[in-house]
Amino acid sequence: GQNIDQPTEMTATEGAIVQINCTYQTSGFNGLFWYQQHAGEAPTFLSYNVLDGLEEKGRFSSFLSRSKGYSYLLLKELQMKDSASYLCAVVDSNYQLIWGAGTKLIIKP
Amino acid sequence: NAGVTQTPKFQVLKTGQSMTLQCAQDMNHEYMSWYRQDPGMGLRLIHYSVGAGITDQGEVPNGYNVSRSTTEDFPLRLLSAAPSQTSVYFCASSYRPGVGANVLTFGAGSRLTVL
Repeated sequence: GQNIDQPTEMTATEGAIVQINCTYQTSGFNGLFWYQQHAGEAPTFLSYNVLDGLEEKGRFSSFLSRSKGYSYLLLKELQMKDSASYLCAVVDSNYQLIWGAGTKLIIKP
Repeated sequence: NAGVTQTPKFQVLKTGQSMTLQCAQDMNHEYMSWYRQDPGMGLRLIHYSVGAGITDQGEVPNGYNVSRSTTEDFPLRLLSAAPSQTSVYFCASSYRPGVGANVLTFGAGSRLTVL
C-alpha cells in the first residue's frame, strides 16, 4: 500500500528553528509537495521537490532524499503566524497526490 | 480573480437527503478535484476531472457523483447522505496534474454534517 508518515504534532518556540519530517512509501515517485494549512482554512502551497537536495524559499526550506523516501521541511525564525498544520504529499506513478495526515505545529512565545 | 469558489461553507443534512456542493474556478484550469479531510487522516481524493466532459474516480468515490460540463464548474453530488460522509470537503484545481510543480489551488472548504 501507499503510506506517508509525519509526526502528528510538534511544539517550538518563537524565533527558533523546527524541522518537520516526512517519510513515504508509494508506488512510484514524481515529486513531493509541502502545503501549509491554518486551522479552518484551505491548504496553501509551500514548496515542491522532485530532485534530491535542498530547496530554499525565504524562511522555509525543503529537503528530499529519494533513495531514503524522506523529506523534511525546515522553518527558521519561527513566528506565531507559523502555527498551522503542514501537509506532505507525494505524486505517485499515476500522477495522483498521496497525502500525509499532516503535522500540527504549535508555536509558543 | 476569485480563484476557486466553493459553496456552501456549512451544511447540515439528515441521513438520506441529497445535496450538491458547488465548485467554480476562473483560472482556466484543466484539472479539478474534490477531496475530503477527516481528523487524523490525509486528504482523500473523491473524484477528479482532467477537462470538460471527463471525470474519474479517486480513492473514495462511493456515495458521490460528479460532472464536468464546463471548464469552470465541477459540482459534487451526495446522492443519499450518510453520517460517514460528515467531513470537510475541498475543491482544488490546477493546470495539469503531475506536470512539474503543478500546484493545486484549493477552495475555502465546505463543512458538512450528516445527522
